[in-house]
Amino acid sequence: EPEVTQTPSHQVTQMGQEVILRCVPISNHLYFYWYRQILGQKVEFLVSFYNNEISEKSEIFDDQFSVERPDGSNFTLKIRSTKLEDSAMYFCASGRGGSTDTQYFGPGTRLTVL
Amino acid sequence: GESVGLHLPTLSVQEGDNSIINCAYSNSASDYFIWYKQESGKGPQFIIDIRSNMDKRQGQRVTVLLNKTVKHLSLQIAATQPGDSAVYFCAENTLSGYSTLTFGKGTMLLVSP
Repeated sequence: EPEVTQTPSHQVTQMGQEVILRCVPISNHLYFYWYRQILGQKVEFLVSFYNNEISEKSEIFDDQFSVERPDGSNFTLKIRSTKLEDSAMYFCASGRGGSTDTQYFGPGTRLTVL
Repeated sequence: GESVGLHLPTLSVQEGDNSIINCAYSNSASDYFIWYKQESGKGPQFIIDIRSNMDKRQGQRVTVLLNKTVKHLSLQIAATQPGDSAVYFCAENTLSGYSTLTFGKGTMLLVSP
């Protein structure tokens, strides 16, 4: 059964450093998403991506964040200058799209900013 | 305020019991609802969904009930097993044309053997 994969599983970085979180969505999916989950809190939407551009983004997704699909398989989330409060689990998801799209989530990357 | 929330943060049941996890939502424009299961260290896993033109949908051992009048959603798990122990999230879909999910806080289900 195809699944969404994410690397690395855990990323530790110093405050102010740039990080890139990587995702490989399910191959025939066209819509891609990033969510984050701060420890003990609910999952929060960050951004959705379709046809090589951002479809929607939340207030969390400020200028420090960017997404990219550099090739036909990877989908990345970049945080330019990490802050302590960026520490969280970051989940990538993919789906076929539409208002009743089932989104399939990856296992997540735990980002720890020191 | 939050659009989607849960009544009970933790639910403890015995193996074999039926479990009911509840969720309240406030956005009357939402037309699609999903239940996700999240095991420790893993991403949310799709369980079952329901559209707003339905009030009940059944899956394998799970049933989702939707009451649009009171904006309430529930997940029923029959014959709960230890493997069902996880955090359960309800999520709603906004009418934006895209699939932006708004998640509730989550309920921890603990199943004792």
